[in-house]
Amino acid sequence: QKEVEQNSGPLSVPEGAIASLNCTYSDRGSQSFFWYRQYSGKSPELIMFIYSNGDKEDGRFTAQLNKASQYVSLLIRDSQPSDSATYLCAVNEKGSGNTPLVFGKGTRLSVIA
Amino acid sequence: DTEVTQTPKHLVMGMTNKKSLKCEQHMGHRAMYWYKQKAKKPPELMFVYSYEKLSINESVPSRFSPECPNSSLLNLHLHALQPEDSALYLCASSQSGTRRNNSPLHFGNGTRLTVT
Repeated sequence: QKEVEQNSGPLSVPEGAIASLNCTYSDRGSQSFFWYRQYSGKSPELIMFIYSNGDKEDGRFTAQLNKASQYVSLLIRDSQPSDSATYLCAVNEKGSGNTPLVFGKGTRLSVIA
Repeated sequence: DTEVTQTPKHLVMGMTNKKSLKCEQHMGHRAMYWYKQKAKKPPELMFVYSYEKLSINESVPSRFSPECPNSSLLNLHLHALQPEDSALYLCASSQSGTRRNNSPLHFGNGTRLTVT
């Protein structure tokens, strides 16, 4: 059983701070990693994806991947109240490009104004 | 707004009803998916269509019947559902992945289904 683990939170950070969301996965062969944001009652929205070890930056968001340690993280700089949502980590199975994604249970982020 | 459109947004149906959920995308994606999501849970994969052929059925009960009429459309036919089937049903699409990497999933806004 492939597993993707996330701390359910809530993770509370003050406005303007850096929010750090972490995700670990069990399948060492996984190659594709995704972060989705989901507001309550809405559908998941793609934030970032990363395939290679290291950092990938997009605006206020940075995804960090460490395959040796089997973790992927999402940093949100200058956090805003509008960033308050559940963040889902998703990882593919078996390292093949057409296998289903396994979702973590999500981390609820609360940015306090 | 997303580029994957789902209708209806809300649906209330009785256990003896037959209804269908519809999904449409015009991004040229060749993989389409149905997910079910209960409150405070992650999305749960139901079906995957790749190039209009059913490639994955995650042991979903036969009261859920998917259909892919063409590369842009995906339907989910519902019949004799149970109250525990009440959930948010999400359609998603993606480009076909490379041999190594998945392409990102793009989700529709979902259909909130209530079975009474």
